[in-house]
Amino acid sequence: LAKTTQPISMDSYEGQEVNITCSHNNIATNDYITWYQQFPSQGPRFIIQGYKTKVTNEVASLFIPADRKSSTLSLPRVSLSDTAVYYCLVGAGNTPLVFGKGTRLSVIA
Amino acid sequence: GAGVSQTPSNKVTEKGKYVELRCDPISGHTALYWYRQSLGQGPEFLIYFQGTGAADDSGLPNDRFFAVRPEGSVSTLKIQRTERGDSAVYLCASSLSSDAYNEQFFGPGTRLTVL
Repeated sequence: LAKTTQPISMDSYEGQEVNITCSHNNIATNDYITWYQQFPSQGPRFIIQGYKTKVTNEVASLFIPADRKSSTLSLPRVSLSDTAVYYCLVGAGNTPLVFGKGTRLSVIA
Repeated sequence: GAGVSQTPSNKVTEKGKYVELRCDPISGHTALYWYRQSLGQGPEFLIYFQGTGAADDSGLPNDRFFAVRPEGSVSTLKIQRTERGDSAVYLCASSLSSDAYNEQFFGPGTRLTVL
């Protein structure tokens, strides 16, 4: 399974756009890139998933360059409620998710 | 009640005791996963069921850990002779089964404390 590397923590002010980049140099052809969000005392929650180029939903955008060796999760205009840990994962099929330590995002008023 | 539920939410036990943790997946989800999460770490995979059978149990740390899913719905994670190192939050997730990479829906977890 491809390993991912992402920053341990990030800080942002409310209303700013936040971009979290994840490296996955050994991503396989069949792998998708998925991001999960986790609040304290809750299980992780799916945010967005993509294979290549750009994906956008009501919560975030995911940018994937042509070589797919990295991806960037973009959160527009963050609020205090976006304070959480964000995990980048790669994998294919109905396989177990391999979580790293994630990126702890702190949004400051 | 559309989400994944787990009971109990908290479990405190003494070293050496036996515990059972229960997971009720989303109705119709054939894939079920157990993870364990220690403080400051990401969830760690334990075991995965497809229907009633364990498709991958490579994450179980040792033979004190066992999980069942007898009717392809509810699952129970069983830990024998608990040790202090077993203290963690145990997360359950479920997903639809298909060839595509499916979103996993997580429950709130069971916080296990072994004294």
